[in-house]
Amino acid sequence: DTEVTQTPKHLVMGMTNKKSLKCEQHMGHRAMYWYKQKAKKPPELMFVYSYEKLSINESVPSRFSPECPNSSLLNLHLHALQPEDSALYLCASSPRLGLGTDTQYFGPGTRLTVL
Amino acid sequence: SQQGEEDPQALSIQEGENATMNCSYKTSINNLQWYRQNSGRGLVHLILIRSNEREKHSGRLRVTLDTSKKSSSLLITASRAADTASYFCATVLDSSYKLIFGSGTRLLVRP
Repeated sequence: DTEVTQTPKHLVMGMTNKKSLKCEQHMGHRAMYWYKQKAKKPPELMFVYSYEKLSINESVPSRFSPECPNSSLLNLHLHALQPEDSALYLCASSPRLGLGTDTQYFGPGTRLTVL
Repeated sequence: SQQGEEDPQALSIQEGENATMNCSYKTSINNLQWYRQNSGRGLVHLILIRSNEREKHSGRLRVTLDTSKKSSSLLITASRAADTASYFCATVLDSSYKLIFGSGTRLLVRP
């Protein structure tokens, strides 16, 4: 199984809502990533988990809260978002962090709209 | 932050023609990767070239890397309508293990 799955595919939420994005992989990868991508722009790294521990937080606002419950799952909890947070949120995984030679496997993304 | 710039920003060609995309980057790298993204979807890894390699092939793809000029090119030969997508180069810096994406090239292959 070389697939990264993400749910939901689309999410519309109000600024006072709390929601979560989910990501799952069963490739035995120990590094997992969250990216944010605005239209016609490249993906921007938000968080990196390595062996279920947060390794990188790219100065992301606290209204985004990542969680890695186990080696296969990655969540992104959303609370009090702003309309400018509307974007495609991509999850990715790679065998492990640190070598710089591992390619990343991306999920299809969650299209988030904040009203 | 963006490490590299790609040109052209957009490219429209006829099916069967070759497509060339260029990527320039700013700092020393460990490797450079190319990804494809179909509209509004996830990215698919195409090819990785290490800093000590100059050229690499994979099917209809040919990637070159010139570390002295800090640039790379992706050539897609005999293009197909299904190649229509955005193409991103991504670099891994020598001192880091983060993947930093270039600005991307939007390719349209007309049938």
